[in-house]
Amino acid sequence: SQTIHQWPATLVQPVGSPLSLECTVEGTSNPNLYWYRQAAGRGLQLLFYSVGIGQISSEVPQNLSASRPQDRQFILSSKKLLLSDSGFYLCAWSLVITDTQYFGPGTRLTVL
Amino acid sequence: GQQLNQSPQSMFIQEGEDVSMNCTSSSIFNTWLWYKQEPGEGPVLLIALYKAGELTSNGRLTAQFGITRKDSFLNISASIPSDVGIYFCAGHPGGTSYGKLTFGQGTILTVHP
Repeated sequence: SQTIHQWPATLVQPVGSPLSLECTVEGTSNPNLYWYRQAAGRGLQLLFYSVGIGQISSEVPQNLSASRPQDRQFILSSKKLLLSDSGFYLCAWSLVITDTQYFGPGTRLTVL
Repeated sequence: GQQLNQSPQSMFIQEGEDVSMNCTSSSIFNTWLWYKQEPGEGPVLLIALYKAGELTSNGRLTAQFGITRKDSFLNISASIPSDVGIYFCAGHPGGTSYGKLTFGQGTILTVHP
């Protein structure tokens, strides 16, 4: 069966510091991968998606970036965090041939 | 762009009551999904619908893909305290959108024992 992991689970960072959130998927090959941000427990905003290694599409202009160095690894980064980057970050995966997405446990990011 | 209207925004019910929530879209979807999210956790897939008119159950949960392909509903029968959470609908138009889903804003469900 497939599983998806995210770490860290929680993170508190000062404004201007860098960020690296990691997501890995087990039990499947060549998944589509997604990064979402959720504010105040409502509404999921798609940030990035990837259909393969090194292939990243950005949905929203911002100071975040994403990378996919391996087939089942997806990383969300920032060089300098802003207060507005605080939120709950979710990674998700889907099989290429379906639209059904499965979410990871999330990372709670607080920027102070 | 596409929008999903999910209603109600919140529900306060007594244990044992049935619950109904729905989502409507301004355009046609080929896939409807229903998720439940508990505090501090990621959304968990409850039911996936892939065909207009499809009615699918998962325990006490039943969801339907509307005939017009622009709506879907989720029913929960005989609610229990552990049903508390936020329920999201999501839809996908099909084609080459690489699985990008449109999400409703969620229905917050509170169940009083």
